Amino acid sequence: DAEITQSPRHKITETGRQVTLACHQTWNHNNMFWYRQDLGHGLRLIHYSYGVHDTNKGEVSDGYSVSRSNTEDLPLTLESAASSQTSVYFCASSESFQQDTQYFGPGTRLTVL
Amino acid sequence: GDSVTQMEGPVTLSEEACLTINCTYTATGYPSLFWYVQYPGEGLQLLLKATKADDKGSNKGFEATYRKETTSFHLEKGSVQVSDSAVYFCALNNQGGKLIFGQGTELSVKP
Repeated sequence: DAEITQSPRHKITETGRQVTLACHQTWNHNNMFWYRQDLGHGLRLIHYSYGVHDTNKGEVSDGYSVSRSNTEDLPLTLESAASSQTSVYFCASSESFQQDTQYFGPGTRLTVL
Repeated sequence: GDSVTQMEGPVTLSEEACLTINCTYTATGYPSLFWYVQYPGEGLQLLLKATKADDKGSNKGFEATYRKETTSFHLEKGSVQVSDSAVYFCALNNQGGKLIFGQGTELSVKP
């Protein structure tokens, strides 16, 4: 069965370190998204991609970057981790635009000390 | 810009009670509307969706009707179970496939 996976599931790091969160999907979807989930804010969009070599900034992109070198993967990098980036991160993918369902990964809980 | 507002939680109900979680939205154009559910420790999964005005989405006993005149998409279930305890998110998809979420409503169902 097709799926979307994230790794690691839990990560503790220190302020100032670079961190990369992995996202891999086997749906063969063109669209991929990264969200962060914080209490009281729901999910907020960080970055998204419509295809290989395409990346776009979302609502809360400062301090984050992504790259898309193939269809299956969209890694999220925190260039210099800050305590404000402690959150749960979700990756999602979808086949097409407006009407289509997004499929979510299980999430990565990141703690920045 | 586009936005989604949900009723605040937590909502605590007894088993077999009726559930309504209110959701209203602000959007230009004609968004698609979604309810996602998040069980403890898991990612989000689609519960139901509606893509145009007056459409009714339904799944697992839950229903929601796309009301353009009141810009609402309220989630309803006639008889909740303990297994329905989760966080419920209303969302819209209007521009380029990006989802805009409400803040989530936690539901706790007691036996």
